Amino acid sequence: DSGVTQTPKHLITATGQRVTLRCSPRSGDLSVYWYQQSLDQGLQFLIQYYNGEERAKGNILERFSAQQFPDLHSELNLSSLELGDSALYFCASSVRGLAGGPLDEQFFGPGTRLTVL
Amino acid sequence: GQNIDQPTEMTATEGAIVQINCTYQTSGFNGLFWYQQHAGEAPTFLSYNVLDGLEEKGRFSSFLSRSKGYSYLLLKELQMKDSASYLCAVRSYNTDKLIFGTGTRLQVFP
Repeated sequence: DSGVTQTPKHLITATGQRVTLRCSPRSGDLSVYWYQQSLDQGLQFLIQYYNGEERAKGNILERFSAQQFPDLHSELNLSSLELGDSALYFCASSVRGLAGGPLDEQFFGPGTRLTVL
Repeated sequence: GQNIDQPTEMTATEGAIVQINCTYQTSGFNGLFWYQQHAGEAPTFLSYNVLDGLEEKGRFSSFLSRSKGYSYLLLKELQMKDSASYLCAVRSYNTDKLIFGTGTRLQVFP
């Protein structure tokens, strides 16, 4: 158990719908990262928040958005869902998230499996 | 840009040694990570290299050559539970995000 929690574990929805994925980082971690993992593809970085502010962005679609709240939990919002959005969505957290820092390994949550029908 | 290459699949026998290679191209290198991921589960951290050389951690070792843009993960005394995907990831300077390769799926046979 990494200490990172994600809800829900599974989500099944229809095309065109909107969903919200939730992540609670490890106690004391300030950075939250979101990744998408489609079948047969590697982990694709979506977005990072550090202490409530957006810090880095990957190839995140405009239909997707995220935020980090004052209690440091984060939510990833996916809207106008398409079949191709079906994937495992992972959240990870790390302590510092500051460039040039030491190890600062990322700890991954169990993921949310999204199925769009 | 960044590019990371790993073999797609490898097989090995229980008790053997296997080496998984990773080559990368990145602007501003700030660390290379190896993660293990069992099917449908979260990646778990294995090792980290930021300086050239070998880092050893029990049955797992990881090597880095920054000048060659090359790393490998060495798994010794393979066990059936080592059957998993092994992900190589690079962190660039001035950013915290990890760029992952597509992973190497390792199957260990008895």
